[in-house]
Amino acid sequence: DTGVSQDPRHKITKRGQNVTFRCDPISEHNRLYWYRQTLGQGPEFLTYFQNEAQLEKSRLLSDRFSAERPKGSFSTLEIQRTEQGDSAMYLCASSITGTSGRETQYFGPGTRLLVL
Amino acid sequence: DAKTTQPNSMESNEEEPVHLPCNHSTISGTDYIHWYRQLPSQGPEYVIHGLTSNVNNRMASLAIAEDRKSSTLILHRATLRDAAVYYCILRDGSSNTGKLIFGQGTTLQVKP
Repeated sequence: DTGVSQDPRHKITKRGQNVTFRCDPISEHNRLYWYRQTLGQGPEFLTYFQNEAQLEKSRLLSDRFSAERPKGSFSTLEIQRTEQGDSAMYLCASSITGTSGRETQYFGPGTRLLVL
Repeated sequence: DAKTTQPNSMESNEEEPVHLPCNHSTISGTDYIHWYRQLPSQGPEYVIHGLTSNVNNRMASLAIAEDRKSSTLILHRATLRDAAVYYCILRDGSSNTGKLIFGQGTTLQVKP
């Protein structure tokens, strides 16, 4: 399967711990997105990369959150000093830059985080 | 991105067509209409998109009103696997930002 993959699929942690998630996009895709989804809500945009460059960050992305895409391939999302409010599904998506209106994003299965 | 309005939920019977409406009265001339769906415990999945003309693909059809202030996603024969949350999203074709802005979507139940 050559779709978007995310690891781990589930993570349980204690409040105050740091966690890191990984996303592997579809290989030829140059854009990579992170979203967060809480129960009963639609996904919310967090940040995106075009190649290695982080081009946009949401105000939802507090200073405890950091994302990287060091070689323009996989990406990591780290949450430091986790809080119970960070419990959510973290979704990754990738795409090829094109006419913005037509761009299609391909989503991974998500990482479900539970902070105790 | 302009806002969209969708019903919270809809029901359908298996094997019957389903028409999922979306209102986007503030749509601009460069906004594309996209539909994604999210099956239980999965990430969203692209369904279809269009600008002005009606569109068909293997998953669904998209009917766009002449004034573009509303659109309808049509599933021609609903199956149990089509039970999902369906999101109608506007994408600005003149902007370089790639982010998707999801609303609450429509939860579709398909009854056998």
